[in-house]
Amino acid sequence: EAGVTQFPSHSVIEKGQTVTLRCDPISGHDNLYWYRRVMGKEIKFLLHFVKESKQDESGMPNNRFLAERTGGTYSTLKVQPAELEDSGVYFCASSQVISGGQFFGPGTRLTVL
Amino acid sequence: GDSVTQMEGPVTLSEEAFLTINCTYTATGYPSLFWYVQYPGEGLQLLLKATKADDKGSNKGFEATYRKETTSFHLEKGSVQVSDSAVYFCALSDPGTGGFKTIFGAGTRLFVKA
Repeated sequence: EAGVTQFPSHSVIEKGQTVTLRCDPISGHDNLYWYRRVMGKEIKFLLHFVKESKQDESGMPNNRFLAERTGGTYSTLKVQPAELEDSGVYFCASSQVISGGQFFGPGTRLTVL
Repeated sequence: GDSVTQMEGPVTLSEEAFLTINCTYTATGYPSLFWYVQYPGEGLQLLLKATKADDKGSNKGFEATYRKETTSFHLEKGSVQVSDSAVYFCALSDPGTGGFKTIFGAGTRLFVKA
């Protein structure tokens, strides 16, 4: 069974540009989460999808971030326009049940110059 | 709000040494507690979990006991190996008050020398 996959693994963009990150959860997992780790600090929650619906987006930092999960399968996280402080590692996770821990992808390292 | 505090690293040990990584938490509800591990170049993996007080989670020789009285979930291993070198994250999930997100500590990097 394939794990959670994320694309790209690395992205380097200039301030003001747009970047779209993609996450493919484990097949059959209705719950999909986005997190990020900035500058070696704690991993912070961004949002939670249940199928295609946003269950909790309390961690989204501002309206430059837009997450979608059309059809309840893969998800995208768009940053537009990117700022320097958006640099970090963006993790995606999925789970079949709410409790019991989540399965994480390898992360996308975003560098904004 | 809910939070997790874990000991700062890096922690450097010799092979076969005893490992303890301290973790304490603050939560208003009854959280589930987790340890995740990130090996070099890989994503986060769930190492072990405990869902209620006095539960002991264990996996790959690692153990942690959910201590409600001290709000702690310390990670231990009796004899570490070089392959245990990684970053370890203590985490909690508190659906009763915090939704279904996971709240992480800052991570503790472990180096094990041969």
